[in-house]
Amino acid sequence: DAGVIQSPRHEVTEMGQEVTLRCKPISGHDYLFWYRQTMMRGLELLIYFNNNVPIDDSGMPEDRFSAKMPNASFSTLKIQPSEPRDSAVYFCASSRSGGRYNSPLHFGNGTRLTVT
Amino acid sequence: KQEVTQIPAALSVPEGENLVLNCSFTDSAIYNLQWFRQDPGKGLTSLLLIQSSQREQTSGRLNASLDKSSGRSTLYIAASQPGDSATYLCAVTSSGGSNYKLTFGKGTLLTVNP
Repeated sequence: DAGVIQSPRHEVTEMGQEVTLRCKPISGHDYLFWYRQTMMRGLELLIYFNNNVPIDDSGMPEDRFSAKMPNASFSTLKIQPSEPRDSAVYFCASSRSGGRYNSPLHFGNGTRLTVT
Repeated sequence: KQEVTQIPAALSVPEGENLVLNCSFTDSAIYNLQWFRQDPGKGLTSLLLIQSSQREQTSGRLNASLDKSSGRSTLYIAASQPGDSATYLCAVTSSGGSNYKLTFGKGTLLTVNP
């Protein structure tokens, strides 16, 4: 199993530009999570999907952030327009049952976003 | 709102020492607690998952305990090795509201010196 695959690994962009982060979950996993990690705030849940349907997006900081999951093997997180305070590492994770039962979360290696 | 605290924030020990990492959470209504390891520039790797009905889980040199009523968990690492150096995070899955939301602590940065 290739694990959770995220792209790109690094993204440097200028303020005001659109940024799209991509994620391929582990095959067969029905939950997908997007997290953001910063030194100040640690890991924060932005949004999660179950069977491609967004369930909880209360962690999405602003309307500038949007996420989609068009099918079971692909999800995107988009920031438009980007701002310097969006700089962080963005992680995608997947699970068979959302962590409620004996099924741990599997994380990708993250996308390090820098907005100048 | 669930809050997870990890103490200490950083720990440095000599190789071979046994050590304990601590995690506390404010709301005892949880489904499970997980311990993760994060290496620099990498994602998180799940180490142990303890269901709310369990008291502990063991994997090799790692042992995690859970006291749900007091809102505490510990991760015990026996005979530490330099390869254990990483950041260790705990996370709880709360059973109220958004059922599948994990709340993470900020982690303990462990350095094992050869």
